[in-house]
Amino acid sequence: GQQVMQIPQYQHVQEGEDFTTYCNSSTTLSNIQWYKQRPGGHPVFLIQLVKSGEVKKQKRLTFQFGEAKKNSSLHITATQTTDVGTYFCAVAGGTSYGKLTFGQGTILTVHP
Amino acid sequence: DGGITQSPKYLFRKEGQNVTLSCEQNLNHDAMYWYRQDPGQGLRLIYYSQIVNDFQKGDIAEGYSVSREKKESFPLTVTSAQKNPTAFYLCASTIRRESQNIQYFGAGTRLSVL
Repeated sequence: GQQVMQIPQYQHVQEGEDFTTYCNSSTTLSNIQWYKQRPGGHPVFLIQLVKSGEVKKQKRLTFQFGEAKKNSSLHITATQTTDVGTYFCAVAGGTSYGKLTFGQGTILTVHP
Repeated sequence: DGGITQSPKYLFRKEGQNVTLSCEQNLNHDAMYWYRQDPGQGLRLIYYSQIVNDFQKGDIAEGYSVSREKKESFPLTVTSAQKNPTAFYLCASTIRRESQNIQYFGAGTRLSVL
């Protein structure tokens, strides 16, 4: 099945610092999704990227899809304590519609 | 209020016991999924179902069983054959669209072994 590597596994930042997590695949992706899971909560969809080189912004969050559609990044500018949680990328898992393969996730801790 | 409801929120299993986790959705979604999440880990797919009365094994199906008798319901049974069942179990669903397959998650069930 589809595999995706996500790094780093953990990231500790001071409030106000920036944060970036990366997802990499050895194969070309049709699209990539990003989810956020707050501590003790469940994953919530953030965004989907489809086009080569696509960049989308949601307030302080910037999502990028690589030109070759093999990697993606999520960048948070000036982190806040509300940003804490685990960020996952997810890619289509083969021919079964709707099936996703999730990256291992990056656990973000923000120190006030 | 539409969404996915998982119950119970916490569940304790005795050794040798089968337990069933409930997942109900009123979103009229076609596909449903069960994931297992261990502390600090990602989501691993246990089983999924794209239509009623049909389901497929995911990456870690051993020791688990499911049924899909109704579109709205996709219960997961953790059998006694699952030797390490302590984890956070998440149910998700998605509607069939060509361009998107966003998954919507329930609040999860935390299963522990007594």
